Parts: sequence; structure tokens; C-alpha cells
Amino acid sequence: DGGITQSPKYLFRKEGQNVTLSCEQNLNHDAMYWYRQDPGQGLRLIYYSQIVNDFQKGDIAEGYSVSREKKESFPLTVTSAQKNPTAFYLCASSPEQGAYYGYTFGSGTRLTVV
Amino acid sequence: AQTVTQSQPEMSVQEAETVTLSCTYDTSENNYYLFWYKQPPSRQMILVIRQEAYKQQNATENRFSVNFQKAAKSFSLKISDSQLGDTAMYFCAFMKDNAGNMLTFGGGTRLMVKP
Repeated sequence: DGGITQSPKYLFRKEGQNVTLSCEQNLNHDAMYWYRQDPGQGLRLIYYSQIVNDFQKGDIAEGYSVSREKKESFPLTVTSAQKNPTAFYLCASSPEQGAYYGYTFGSGTRLTVV
Repeated sequence: AQTVTQSQPEMSVQEAETVTLSCTYDTSENNYYLFWYKQPPSRQMILVIRQEAYKQQNATENRFSVNFQKAAKSFSLKISDSQLGDTAMYFCAFMKDNAGNMLTFGGGTRLMVKP
């Protein structure tokens, strides 16, 4: 079955550490997105990529980095520069032509700073 | 920039009754798309219903329907015959036409369906 896989489901980070969240899709979608979800604030866009080797900052990109070396993969690194990283992170994808049919989402990663 | 506002942080409804969730948005665009997503306790985001702004007819998907008022920039979701499985967070979202395909989300409404 086609879909998006996010791993790990739960992730704990120590102060000052970088951590990488994985997002893999087998839907042959061109575009991929990372959102952060905090209580009461809905989903906010961190980064997005519409094509391999290209990506753009979203509304809250500071303290995060991404790469898009393969169409299937769009990992997100939460760097030590992100001062409040505890949140739920959602990855999504869509076809470049047809995103207006909606995104497909992964099941999310819960990141906690310890 | 587009903004999406959901003014009801929490709502509850009795099983089998009807409930309406509100959403307003702000945009200067004429062509765009609107969505309602459901996030149950599993936190998996599920597309409930979508609406093209150029269509006057309101979208319907089984027990879910929308009331799209373009001039008022309003996009409410009506759930009929509410079921326990409808308990979830509901997010309204906006997408411009031909502009990078980004979704802008509202803050969400937590819906509790009571037996």
C-alpha cells in the first residue's frame, strides 16, 4: 500500500543536540512538506519541497534544516538553534499537479526535549 | 498572507445529533481551495471534505457537508447524525490556486461526541 512513513514515533532530545526526523513516501508525489503542531495553534509550515534538490522555508523555518536528495525522502533536522522543539511533527506529500485534492499525511513524530 | 480562523476551540454534541463547526478565512485571492481535516486521537490527519472556490455548489461527503459563503469568506462544516467515531480535532485549511500548493491551517476545533 502506498503511503507516508514517519519515524520514529517518539523521539527524545537532550539540550544542545541535533536530531533528525525521517519521512519517506512511496506515492510518487513530487511535493513534500513538514508541519509543526502545538496545542491550540494548529499546524504551521516549517519547510516544503516541490522537486528533488530544491526546498523553501515556510513560516517557522528557524532552527530547522531539510534535504531532498531523493524524491521519496524528506528528512527534517531539528538543530540546537531551535529553542523550543517539543512538539508534534507531521510530514505530508502531494502531487505537484493535483495538490488541490489534498495532502497525504504521515502518522507523525512526537519530539520531547529532556 | 492568508489566515484561517476557527473561533470554537471546543464543542460537544450528542450522538445522532447535528453539529456545525465554523471557519473563516482572509484572502485577496479569487481562486482557491478549502479543506476540512479530521485528527482523531491517533493523530493521523484525514481529509474529510474539500471545496473549490469557483464552485457555488456546496460539497457533500456522506454525513459531512459544508456551507461555503465566498463573499463572507466563511466555510463551515456540518456533521449530521454524529457518531462516537467523529470525536476528533477538526482543522479548516486554505490553499491558493497555483501558488506552491501550501496549506494554511486554522487553530482547530476539538469535537466531543457524547453517547
